[in-house]
Amino acid sequence: GAVVSQHPSWVICKSGTSVKIECRSLDFQATTMFWYRQFPKQSLMLMATSNEGSKATYEQGVEKDKFLINHASLTLSTLTVTSAHPEDSSFYICSATGGPPDTQYFGPGTRLTVL
Amino acid sequence: QKEVEQDPGPLSVPEGAIVSLNCTYSNSAFQYFMWYRQYSRKGPELLMYTYSSGNKEDGRFTAQVDKSSKYISLFIRDSQPSDSATYLCAMSVVGNTPLVFGKGTRLSVIA
Repeated sequence: GAVVSQHPSWVICKSGTSVKIECRSLDFQATTMFWYRQFPKQSLMLMATSNEGSKATYEQGVEKDKFLINHASLTLSTLTVTSAHPEDSSFYICSATGGPPDTQYFGPGTRLTVL
Repeated sequence: QKEVEQDPGPLSVPEGAIVSLNCTYSNSAFQYFMWYRQYSRKGPELLMYTYSSGNKEDGRFTAQVDKSSKYISLFIRDSQPSDSATYLCAMSVVGNTPLVFGKGTRLSVIA
């Protein structure tokens, strides 16, 4: 099946710093990538949708200036959490679509802890 | 009413049991239906994918879609302790649009 990777898998940072998370589709070209956030024992919450070469579409309540998304190529999307604060600590998961069948494949997730 | 309803469980069954997981939905425009398995602190793993009513089988897993009733199911035969995870149903109108997830059902298979 289609493979999506994320890097890093776990990151700890100090409050006020910025963190970049990469999402890569390894064996297919991802026309669309999605970023989700998941709190413990809760389901995934969609943050934004990104298409290669265009601006991301953010869900209501998600600050676009805080969560910067770049989808520079058909295999790479990045999420940058700017000026991170402890309440940003969460599990961030990306997914990509474009591989067969036409559904979403998820990355392994990135656990962000902001001290 | 939420778009997708899924009993969060937890559901605990003995090893070897048949497990039935279900979701109902309200949006009749949904065409694509998926089941994902998520282990703790991992990303969701696609288990089954269907886009029509009826049954689809893959090994010990059977996905069932009843569009007239807006109801989907996932059956796991001969359940194993390694099946212990959270199972998420998800659906979308078209293939590359955001998925709408159920809350997930936590399953424990006891050896």
